[in-house]
Amino acid sequence: AQTVTQSQPEMSVQEAETVTLSCTYDTSESNYYLFWYKQPPSRQMILVIRQEAYKQQNATENRFSVNFQKAAKSFSLKISDSQLGDTAMYFCAFTFYGQNFVFGPGTRLSVLP
Amino acid sequence: NAGVTQTPKFRVLKTGQSMTLLCAQDMNHEYMYWYRQDPGMGLRLIHYSVGEGTTAKGEVPDGYNVSRLKKQNFLLGLESAAPSQTSVYFCASSSRQGLRSYEQYFGPGTRLTVT
Repeated sequence: AQTVTQSQPEMSVQEAETVTLSCTYDTSESNYYLFWYKQPPSRQMILVIRQEAYKQQNATENRFSVNFQKAAKSFSLKISDSQLGDTAMYFCAFTFYGQNFVFGPGTRLSVLP
Repeated sequence: NAGVTQTPKFRVLKTGQSMTLLCAQDMNHEYMYWYRQDPGMGLRLIHYSVGEGTTAKGEVPDGYNVSRLKKQNFLLGLESAAPSQTSVYFCASSSRQGLRSYEQYFGPGTRLTVT
């Protein structure tokens, strides 16, 4: 069974600084998809970034980028130029072609003014 | 385009009562999912469906049943509610095709309390 681990329950960062959230996963599959989702206090789940395992190039979306290390089964999220609106729970997630999505326990990120 | 909607948004049940949560999506997605989220935990998959008329168990299926009679709807049923089912329930959908394949779009959630 696949598992997803996020070892940082809580983190904080100063506004405009850079922060990196860690995620590791375990799977025996060779092709799969990884995601980072954000959940602000409104409770709505919002997609941050998506990575396909067979693509070696790290995904980027504006201020958000990932460091995908397939051999190490590591998928960290870097947030540059942090903004107050980035304050949220961040969840790492894994799926094997849409079946059996697995989410990590989350990291609570606070952006401080 | 409403995306993913969930009905109801809040519900209080007594132990032993039954209820059905409705999820609807208007994006023609093939895949639909039901999750529960408990305090301090991530989302845990209850059941999912890869197409109309199909369902499969997720990580925590016990005490729940689902049906996908129409492509746009995914129903989650609790036959005999228990306090352990107090949680926030999220529905999501995704497509298996295109550049954004398997990206999940979530509903706003349903807060269920069982007393």
